[in-house]
Amino acid sequence: DAMVIQNPRYQVTQFGKPVTLSCSQTLNHNVMYWYQQKSSQAPKLLFHYYDKDFNNEADTPDNFQSRRPNTSFCFLDIRSPGLGDAAMYLCATSRVGRNQPQHFGDGTRLSIL
Amino acid sequence: AQSVSQHNHHVILSEAASLELGCNYSYGGTVNLFWYVQYPGQHLQLLLKYFSGDPLVKGIKGFEAEFIKSKFSFNLRKPSVQWSDTAEYFCAVNSGGGADGLTFGKGTHLIIQP
Repeated sequence: DAMVIQNPRYQVTQFGKPVTLSCSQTLNHNVMYWYQQKSSQAPKLLFHYYDKDFNNEADTPDNFQSRRPNTSFCFLDIRSPGLGDAAMYLCATSRVGRNQPQHFGDGTRLSIL
Repeated sequence: AQSVSQHNHHVILSEAASLELGCNYSYGGTVNLFWYVQYPGQHLQLLLKYFSGDPLVKGIKGFEAEFIKSKFSFNLRKPSVQWSDTAEYFCAVNSGGGADGLTFGKGTHLIIQP
């Protein structure tokens, strides 16, 4: 059973055209994360929500925004995608606590034309 | 800031060979350590984790890892690999007891030849 669901699996957008990626979870976890993974690189944390509290990483570009309307859903908005934003975007969830691992979705591969 | 270093980016082994993948981290405080695996076309899955206690931890599919605090290392091992272990392996770390995100290594692409 899928527990962290990302839609779509593949997304193609045009240079500069806003795009939204979606993540939903059935685990009822407090925390939701967004990571960016470029080819042959490590996943890199963009930001996370702890309940409704938004935590942005210091080096995440302003072009990237996020919304969490409720516990189950979290969105990644890229306001003006550039060619360098082509990547796999991973959503993860976890409970709070030291012994709580993160559970990942399948990812959305974003291509920029 | 935390960082994670995985020494081998590509490893090719034959079935039944023993496996050890190196992972070193840099962080001065209390850390939580993880190994994740990504099979072709699938999402990242947790192999094992270390938070405290016995530094030798056992995970799924016969994998284990040893935390050596003095060496800042958390190496992954398996005594006898199978063709189905072909995958990308990521070492990751976070700190504290809250909601910190993970810092990942660059990953090791493991290929097992039948």
